Amino acid sequence: SQQGEEDPQALSIQEGENATMNCSYKTSINNLQWYRQNSGRGLVHLILIRSNEREKHSGRLRVTLDTSKKSSSLLITASRAADTASYFCAWGAGNMLTFGGGTRLMVKP
Amino acid sequence: NAGVTQTPKFRVLKTGQSMTLLCAQDMNHEYMYWYRQDPGMGLRLIHYSVGEGTTAKGEVPDGYNVSRLKKQNFLLGLESAAPSQTSVYFCASSYTQSKPQHFGDGTRLSIL
Repeated sequence: SQQGEEDPQALSIQEGENATMNCSYKTSINNLQWYRQNSGRGLVHLILIRSNEREKHSGRLRVTLDTSKKSSSLLITASRAADTASYFCAWGAGNMLTFGGGTRLMVKP
Repeated sequence: NAGVTQTPKFRVLKTGQSMTLLCAQDMNHEYMYWYRQDPGMGLRLIHYSVGEGTTAKGEVPDGYNVSRLKKQNFLLGLESAAPSQTSVYFCASSYTQSKPQHFGDGTRLSIL
């Protein structure tokens, strides 16, 4: 993508393992957000980290942001089968969010 | 609260036909957005609005028009549908540009 990307594109793990997804972008940002999408549904907001923050936690989610490298990561700890979904990062600049291509996570019971 | 509601949920059109997708939100959000999502890809912004009576172009605006006559509603129009516009369309809203966006469940549009 000309604007950024996520990796891996797909990730398959066992229940109880941790899942890490990475996001890279190319512009200056105000904030970076992570969303989750279950099959056939709309996106659900997970966590927002501002450009002056380096790390943020919410339950089993941990997000890091490195603006010098223009990258972010989402860590889901102790994954569950219900975490199976697609995960998207989105970086905010001005009035718009730009979304990455997503990581499809499968958590096997 | 219903959140963000999109109608219709599914639609099949023939090339050249026109239609309007409706998005309604009951959260008193100022900002509203229309995105399209193609298979295996992220969302791309079509148009957005920062308040009642305003609209602006996003990343992929060609072939689409929008209107925000009421704060709670954001309409997306296709004047002359093309097969390349086959996609899933998502509407979203937020308080400001730096707040989380709330999404509807999408409209699946096929153009034959």
